Formats: sequence, structure tokens, C-alpha cells
Amino acid sequence: EIVMTQSPATLSVSPGETVTLSCRASQSVSSNLAWYQQNPGQAPRLLIYGASTRATGIPARFSGSGSGTEFTLTISSLQSEDFAVYYCQQYNNWPYTFGQGTKLEIK
Amino acid sequence: QVQLQESGPGLVKPSETLSLTCTVSGGSISNYYGSWIRQPPGKGLEWIGYIFYTGSTNYNPSLKSRVTISVDTSKNQFSLRLTSVTAADTAIYYCARHQPGRPYFDYWGQGALVTVSS
Repeated sequence: EIVMTQSPATLSVSPGETVTLSCRASQSVSSNLAWYQQNPGQAPRLLIYGASTRATGIPARFSGSGSGTEFTLTISSLQSEDFAVYYCQQYNNWPYTFGQGTKLEIK
Repeated sequence: QVQLQESGPGLVKPSETLSLTCTVSGGSISNYYGSWIRQPPGKGLEWIGYIFYTGSTNYNPSLKSRVTISVDTSKNQFSLRLTSVTAADTAIYYCARHQPGRPYFDYWGQGALVTVSS
């Protein structure tokens, strides 16, 4: 099973700032990587797939990059609604696995 | 607009079987995969398994011996059965849909909390 490791576990930032979240795979997943946002009490929402393609309706301030084992999600000009938990998910090898999440909190 | 809705008991006794159903509205499940994902309270996400509308399945090896996912295309539903549950199976259970060749989820149910307790 591929282990996905996200860092940091928690990130404290101020609205308007730009933040970069990291996700590392225990072996190459090519570009088969998705990012989700989860707000309290809600299901995750797909942000990015194919490591860098924004899902329908996702604002341009969200961008993804990387391939192989190292991936990043960058959120620019943080809005209040962006403070949530973010998960990466690999879909290169079954079982498809998620990272443990990075919580973005208001500084 | 496609919507998914989980239904089933919110409380299951240890050693018994957890059963949930996902009803899809606003679109057919034909030509799509239906998945079950769970999230223990305050923790991360675990993909339990998925089923194609034809009935073909794939299960997470960590749960394979206890999991069955089935589909009823006439009702636009797919279902989860998890046997011999313990407290470790307490979680929010989500159903979700994905397209063939695109195993990531753009449509999710709201989630159903299932507690395993006597």
C-alpha cells in the first residue's frame, strides 16, 4: 500500500497570505494525485486531479503541482472560506490512499 | 444535479453487521463506479471499496474479508455490508461516485455516522 504523508499537520496563516501544502508518496504515483478540501461536518470537495488540473468550479487561486512522489497545493490570497482540512489522494495503485490531512487555521 | 444520500442504522452492536445504502438521484449510476469511504471521528479518510454498475468490485485488502458492496441499478442504489464490526469501525461512512478511469470523487453523499457500541 502506498503511504501518503502530508506536511505540516497544521498550518496557521492569515487571510490574504499565500500558503503551500505538501504531500509525499512512499513510491511514485506518477501524476495520479488529487486534492480535496473538507470543512467541518461536510464531505470532502474535489479541488485538483491529475496533480494540477482544477476541478469544475474551483477558483484559480488553487493550484497543484508535482509528479512522482512530491506534490504541492498552493492557495494564494487566502479567503475565510479556505480555512479547512486538505487531503491528498493517490489513485495510481490500489488500494487508493489518502494522506492524513493538513489543517489550515486562521492565525 | 447529481446527489448521493446514505441511509441505514446509526448504531450497530459489536460483532454484528453494518449495512448502508447509497441512493443516487439526478443521474444514473450506469457507466459509473460507486465507492464507500469512511472517516473515523477526527481522523483521515479510508477507501473501503468500489463497484461498477455491472457488479464488478474491488475491496481494500485491509477490509476485504469483511466487506461486500452490491449494486441495484433498477433502484439507482449501491450498498455496503461490513461484518463482525468492532468499535474501530465507528466512523462517518460516505458514498461517492467516480467515472471510469478517473478514480477521484466529484460527487459525495453527506455522510452517515455509524457508531459501534453495545
